[in-house]
Amino acid sequence: QSVLTQPPSASGTPGRRVTISCSGSSSNIGTNTVNWYQQLPGAAPKLLFYNNNQRPSGVPDRFSGSKSGTSASLAISGLQSEDEADYYCAAWDDSLNAYVFGTGTNVTVL
Amino acid sequence: QVQLVQSGAEVQQPGASVEVSCKTSGYTFTAYSMHWVRQAPGQGLEWMGWINPNRGNTNYAQEFQGRVTMTRDRSINTFYMKLSGLRSDDTAIYYCATLYCGPTTCFDNWGQGTLVTVSS
Repeated sequence: QSVLTQPPSASGTPGRRVTISCSGSSSNIGTNTVNWYQQLPGAAPKLLFYNNNQRPSGVPDRFSGSKSGTSASLAISGLQSEDEADYYCAAWDDSLNAYVFGTGTNVTVL
Repeated sequence: QVQLVQSGAEVQQPGASVEVSCKTSGYTFTAYSMHWVRQAPGQGLEWMGWINPNRGNTNYAQEFQGRVTMTRDRSINTFYMKLSGLRSDDTAIYYCATLYCGPTTCFDNWGQGTLVTVSS
C-alpha cells in the first residue's frame, strides 16, 4: 500500500478552484521533493509538477503546486472539463529506497 | 522526438513468467535510468524499480525482490522487465518510464503501457 495519502476524490464546477492534498512522512516528502502526475482516462501518466512547484513547459499556469513539511498540495484554478483525470503525487522515500506514489485523487468537473 | 515503445499485451497462466520490452529512441540510451511502474485495473500507480543502462545495476522495490528482473540491451536501445511466479493480482498495465528530474529540468517520458493478464 502507498505511503503517500491523498483523498480519493475531489470535484468542482467549471471555473472554481480545487485543491488536492498529499500527506507523507519525514522519509519522503519531509526530505525530498514532490512530483505530481495527471492521468487522463486510458492514457499513461503525464508529469504535471516537479521539485514541488515547477511546471514543465506546456502545463497551464492554472495549476500550482506547493509543499510544507511532510505534506504537499496541488491546486487547480479555473477548473475546466479537460481537467477531469486522476492525479498522483510522488516522491523518493529514503527509508524504503523506493519511489512512492500517492493513492491518487479522481477529479470530477460537475 | 523521444519515444518509448513497449511490447504488446500478454496473457499468462498463474505461475508463469512474462517479459515486457521497452524500445527507446530520440535520446541517448545511456543517459537516463529506466523505471518500471505498474497499475492494476482501477487502482493506483506502483513503482517496481529501476535499471541503470550503463552498468546494468538495478534497484527493485521490496515487494518485487526475488520475482522481478530488469535488464537492458544497449545494442538495440531496449529495456526489459521480467516478472516470474505470476499471480492473478499481477494483472496490470506495466509502464516503462524515465522519471528523471534535476534541479531545473525533467526528462520524464512514459511508454504506452503493456497489459499483462494473469488467468488460467
